[in-house]
Amino acid sequence: AQSVTQLGSHVSVSEGALVLLRCNYSSSVPPYLFWYVQYPNQGLQLLLKYTTGATLVKGINGFEAEFKKSETSFHLTKPSAHMSDAAEYFCAVGGTGGTSYGKLTFGQGTILTVHP
Amino acid sequence: DAMVIQNPRYQVTQFGKPVTLSCSQTLNHNVMYWYQQKSSQAPKLLFHYYDKDFNNEADTPDNFQSRRPNTSFCFLDIRSPGLGDAAMYLCATRTGHLGVGQYFGPGTRLTVT
Repeated sequence: AQSVTQLGSHVSVSEGALVLLRCNYSSSVPPYLFWYVQYPNQGLQLLLKYTTGATLVKGINGFEAEFKKSETSFHLTKPSAHMSDAAEYFCAVGGTGGTSYGKLTFGQGTILTVHP
Repeated sequence: DAMVIQNPRYQVTQFGKPVTLSCSQTLNHNVMYWYQQKSSQAPKLLFHYYDKDFNNEADTPDNFQSRRPNTSFCFLDIRSPGLGDAAMYLCATRTGHLGVGQYFGPGTRLTVT
């Protein structure tokens, strides 16, 4: 079984400040991990992913995330927030075996607000 | 160069009146998924196809059906919509390689009156 916990349903930052969105996962097999962003009334857009190899992964729009196996975490960061980053962010673990194969298990989402 | 297309973007139907949502893809991906997303919630997987092989989630109501006539198209049929079925419906695709992730369409927002 796998699960995802996103700490903080709402995060608010000032424009230019560091963005940190937290994600912890549980998986019985080595996980594939993803961050998606969703703007209002839109689908989900893939920001970045971790499968194997380098634990620090870079994505689109200046976001990056670090896979920390010992902490079962995959936190999303961006050094300097922009107004256009305001959206909802979902962390997801991709099933690589068993009945979860090929399925995404999502966290509950974090709404990021950026104020001037 | 849209890759996953959903039509219509907004759909209004009446309580109990069957409705069909459409998804098409230009990626030639093997797998297509349908998700239901209610307000302020994470997407919930309803079912998926691997090629023509249909896989239903255990908790998907019988009211929801799906068809995949070919690789490019997949349909979601709601036989008798209830007020609780009002939601955003998301279609997604992926290749046979898990690590690539899923590509999502823009969604169809369904309103039931």
